[in-house]
Amino acid sequence: DTAVSQTPKYLVTQMGNDKSIKCEQNLGHDTMYWYKQDSKKFLKIMFSYNNKELIINETVPNRFSPKSPDKAHLNLHINSLELGDSAVYFCASSQDGAGVMGQFFGPGTRLTVL
Amino acid sequence: AQKITQTQPGMFVQEKEAVTLDCTYDTSDPSYGLFWYKQPSSGEMIFLIYQGSYDQQNATEGRYSLNFQKARKSANLVISASQLGDSAMYFCAMREPRGSASKIIFGSGTRLSIRP
Repeated sequence: DTAVSQTPKYLVTQMGNDKSIKCEQNLGHDTMYWYKQDSKKFLKIMFSYNNKELIINETVPNRFSPKSPDKAHLNLHINSLELGDSAVYFCASSQDGAGVMGQFFGPGTRLTVL
Repeated sequence: AQKITQTQPGMFVQEKEAVTLDCTYDTSDPSYGLFWYKQPSSGEMIFLIYQGSYDQQNATEGRYSLNFQKARKSANLVISASQLGDSAMYFCAMREPRGSASKIIFGSGTRLSIRP
């Protein structure tokens, strides 16, 4: 059973397009996250949702909009894609908002903007 | 501002030897948590171990242990009896409290390569 799943695994698209990445967790966790990992492997949090409510919103361009239809899903929509958006995007979940027991990550979505 | 520092960009270790991956952190908050994650070449992030700032004992999980030295603000990961499958990127991370929520900030990672 996949704990945290993301689709698609790979996404290649042109500059200016709009795309979405979906994330689902079946762990019953209350909190979900989006991270961006750049080409130098640096991992940075973008958003965090607790029970469908946005609780962390880092300095991310408005072109990025997360949506949580229920606490098991957290999708990421990106408008007007730019070259600099190329990265691996990870979804994660944790049992609580503090992430005390660690965060469980999805397999990542490799986004390439041409 | 909180930050995490991993000073070893890469390490080579002989199989079956123990290895220590360094991590130092900086925070003024008394309540925090420290994590280690492993990222193999396949790309997934695997949670390894957690240490709370108020925990009296060092965390251990199988071959992994966290050498927590609070006064020195260090949280080194020790892997005993290294195996070829331990070759991966390792990230140290710290939970930063923010009201009722927290975020986790990551270090820049250490690439560990195990030699047969």
